[in-house]
Amino acid sequence: AQTVTQSQPEMSVQEAETVTLSCTYDTSESNYYLFWYKQPPSRQMILVIRQEAYKQQNATENRFSVNFQKAAKSFSLKISDSQLGDTAMYFCAFVVGGSQGNLIFGKGTKLSVKP
Amino acid sequence: GAVVSQHPSWVICKSGTSVKIECRSLDFQATTMFWYRQFPKQSLMLMATSNEGSKATYEQGVEKDKFLINHASLTLSTLTVTSAHPEDSSFYICSAVNPSGRRNEQFFGPGTRLTVL
Repeated sequence: AQTVTQSQPEMSVQEAETVTLSCTYDTSESNYYLFWYKQPPSRQMILVIRQEAYKQQNATENRFSVNFQKAAKSFSLKISDSQLGDTAMYFCAFVVGGSQGNLIFGKGTKLSVKP
Repeated sequence: GAVVSQHPSWVICKSGTSVKIECRSLDFQATTMFWYRQFPKQSLMLMATSNEGSKATYEQGVEKDKFLINHASLTLSTLTVTSAHPEDSSFYICSAVNPSGRRNEQFFGPGTRLTVL
């Protein structure tokens, strides 16, 4: 079975500090894509960052970066210089390449950024 | 960017009635759309995959006769909750894949909150 595990139901961080959200996944496929999505209180799902499994280089998007460890099947998200607007639910997800494209989501981590 | 809309954003209906939710890709043609259900403080649960011009593929445990999906055009998919009951109350989210965009990247609609009285 293909699964995504987010072991931290809730986390908090002080504004301007750095926080890392954990994610592990399980799949026997070699071609897949990994994502972190953010869901703020508005409940609109927003793509934060994306990683192709065949790329060794970790993806970065401004203050967001990932630590992708393929052998360990780990895909953590680091948020630097946390801002109040980063407060949201964060979902880790992956999709198998060549499939219909349905995402497999983790249960999410609720991140609170405190002033 | 790729924008997906949903209508309505919030609907209240009486038990036993049917409710239709629309999902539209506004600036791209989506051959594949997905329908998710999200309970409070939980993750997204895939209900079905909708392909334009063909029957939807439902996930195990999802009643296809209750949740009717129609993907009649490349920009519109609809989810009809038939004979709704209070347990169908939930947040429904659609997403769409832009075939011209990055592979396997889904764009999500803003969601529809359904309350069945």
